[in-house]
Amino acid sequence: EDQVTQSPEALRLQEGESSSLNCSYTVSGLRGLFWYRQDPGKGPEFLFTLYSAGEEKEKERLKATLTKKESFLHITAPKPEDSATYLCAVRPGNTPLVFGKGTRLSVIA
Amino acid sequence: DTGVSQNPRHKITKRGQNVTFRCDPISEHNRLYWYRQTLGQGPEFLTYFQNEAQLEKSRLLSDRFSAERPKGSFSTLEIQRTEQGDSAMYLCASSLPPQETQYFGPGTRLLVL
Repeated sequence: EDQVTQSPEALRLQEGESSSLNCSYTVSGLRGLFWYRQDPGKGPEFLFTLYSAGEEKEKERLKATLTKKESFLHITAPKPEDSATYLCAVRPGNTPLVFGKGTRLSVIA
Repeated sequence: DTGVSQNPRHKITKRGQNVTFRCDPISEHNRLYWYRQTLGQGPEFLTYFQNEAQLEKSRLLSDRFSAERPKGSFSTLEIQRTEQGDSAMYLCASSLPPQETQYFGPGTRLLVL
């Protein structure tokens, strides 16, 4: 069964304290790994798509990396406005997305 | 590009009533997806369309749920005889193959009393 596990469930950082979120997956025929940001009461906002091991993408303070079994979302010098739930999803073959439960990030000023 | 829109944004209903939600995808996107999300969980797939054809339905989609996309543009999701367990955020997303990325709307939050 295709599965996505995100850790930690919740993370509390001081402003400027860099850290990483983990997304481990077991899927057959990966056709993309996706990171989304979700603010309370809103729909997920697309951040990155990664397709193959070794691929990296960056956007402002965020950097996503992919290996054959997991992905990391690195947050460098976070600010309070980075507080949100970060969702990881995979596309196994020609099927819709399978999401993890997310990591709730709080950045304290 | 106005993004994916969903209406209504919030719906409160009594158990046993029928409700209908609407999703307008990004204009050139021919794939449209419905997901359900409960508190503390990631979105769970319900069904998806390519143009007007409904290509896949999750086993989560009981026979009280029906979705349509009559002209390959907007879509509606209807829940008949609502139950308290149907309370959730209902999310719509769209994409344009061959790109795999799905773009989500703001969601419709349903509360069944």
